[in-house]
Amino acid sequence: NAGVMQNPRHLVRRRGQEARLRCSPMKGHSHVYWYRQLPEEGLKFMVYLQKENIIDESGMPKERFSAEFPKEGPSILRIQQVVRGDSAAYFCASSPDREKLFFGSGTQLSVL
Amino acid sequence: RKEVEQDPGPFNVPEGATVAFNCTYSNSASQSFFWYRQDCRKEPKLLMSVYSSGNEDGRFTAQLNRASQYISLLIRDSKLSDSATYLCVVSITGGGNKLTFGTGTQLKVEL
Repeated sequence: NAGVMQNPRHLVRRRGQEARLRCSPMKGHSHVYWYRQLPEEGLKFMVYLQKENIIDESGMPKERFSAEFPKEGPSILRIQQVVRGDSAAYFCASSPDREKLFFGSGTQLSVL
Repeated sequence: RKEVEQDPGPFNVPEGATVAFNCTYSNSASQSFFWYRQDCRKEPKLLMSVYSSGNEDGRFTAQLNRASQYISLLIRDSKLSDSATYLCVVSITGGGNKLTFGTGTQLKVEL
């Protein structure tokens, strides 16, 4: 049973470009969470999704950020018109029961 | 006040030492508690859940004090491989079990 798969591992974008981060949860997990970790800071909750539904997006900036978890395919975190402050590690986690979370290896986003 | 507060450390201890970390949380409605471990900015990994009665897993013991709203982690007989950042995590069950992470306590075990 493969773990939570995130890609790409590293993503470099110039200011103003779009960033797309992908997350495939563990088999059988229907709950997906996205977290962001800025340098020297803790992980911050961004959004919680189930298949085709956003359950809690209270941690996600209102502008430029969006997330989806379609019926088929991975969950996508999209950041439009990236700025330098978006540079961070973005971790996805999945859960079978909303109790224990299993994290992917993360995507390190660097904005030039 | 941060929702979850931890001493960032670093704690530098010799191999074989016993070390303890504390963590406080601000939301009295928090219902689930965990310690995660994170190595060198890699993904966090669940170390253990924390129960009101306290629980032990090998060299690791976790305690929860609901009245004082703090959680502790005790590591006995430290190994070099224990060097990592230890994250205190709480959640309010309901609404998706959103986990709130502390910023972590860094442990360095030395020869």
